Amino acid sequence: EVQLVESGGGLVKPGGSLTLSCAASGFTFSDAWMSWVRQAPGKGLEWVGHIKSHGHGGTTDYVDPVRGRFAISRDDSKNTVSLQMNSLKTEDTAVYYCTTEFHGAINNWGQGTLVTVSS
Amino acid sequence: DIVMTQSPDSLAVSLGERATINCKSSQSVLYSSNNRNNLAWYQQKPGQPPKPLIYWASTRESGVPDRFSGSGSGTDFTLTISSLQAEDVAVYYCQQYYSNPLTFGPGTKVDIK
Repeated sequence: EVQLVESGGGLVKPGGSLTLSCAASGFTFSDAWMSWVRQAPGKGLEWVGHIKSHGHGGTTDYVDPVRGRFAISRDDSKNTVSLQMNSLKTEDTAVYYCTTEFHGAINNWGQGTLVTVSS
Repeated sequence: DIVMTQSPDSLAVSLGERATINCKSSQSVLYSSNNRNNLAWYQQKPGQPPKPLIYWASTRESGVPDRFSGSGSGTDFTLTISSLQAEDVAVYYCQQYYSNPLTFGPGTKVDIK
C-alpha cells in the first residue's frame, strides 16, 4: 500500500522559512516523480512543483508564484522528498500535499500538512 | 499556462439521477504522439485529500465504481456520475498534465437535491 506522510507544517511569520518533509513507502521511490500540491483554506488545488526521478534527470520545475523561493529535493536512500520554502508570504498559507505523478496525473496523495504564514 | 475551467460551479442531483460536470482547457491537451488526452479527474470530500478517479480522460483508477465515467477530447471533457449515491457528495476537479505547470479546474461541488 502506498503511503505518503507529510511533516513539518506549522505557523511561520511572513518572510520566514519552513521545510516540509514527506516519507514515502509502498512503491519504488527511486522511480517515482514526486510533487507537491497545495490548497489554500476553502480554495482549490494548486500544483507547486515536482522533482523527476534521477533516471529522468532529477530535475525540478515549479509554478511561477513559488519559483525562486521554494526548492524540492529528494533522498532516494531514505525514500523522502522535501519542500524548502523561503521568503514565505501570507498567500502561501495552505495545506501542502505530497503526491506522486504518473505521466503528470497525480495518482497518490498524502494527508497533507498545514502551513500558516501570519504575523 | 493552460487554464482549466469547469461548469457548473455546483449542482444538486437527486439520488439515483445523473450528474454531469464539464471541464474545458484553454488549449488542446491531446498528446499527438500517443493520441491520449492528458486530463485527469479527482474527487475531494471535506477534510480529505483528493482521490484520483480518472486519467487519460476516460480510464478509471483501480477501485473506482463504474458509475463514474470520463469522456471528451482536445479541449472539452465531461465527468459523468450515472446514478448519484450519497457517498458521491464532494467537490470534483479536473486537471491537465499536458504541460507544466500542471493546472486544475476550480472545482464543481456536487450535492444531493
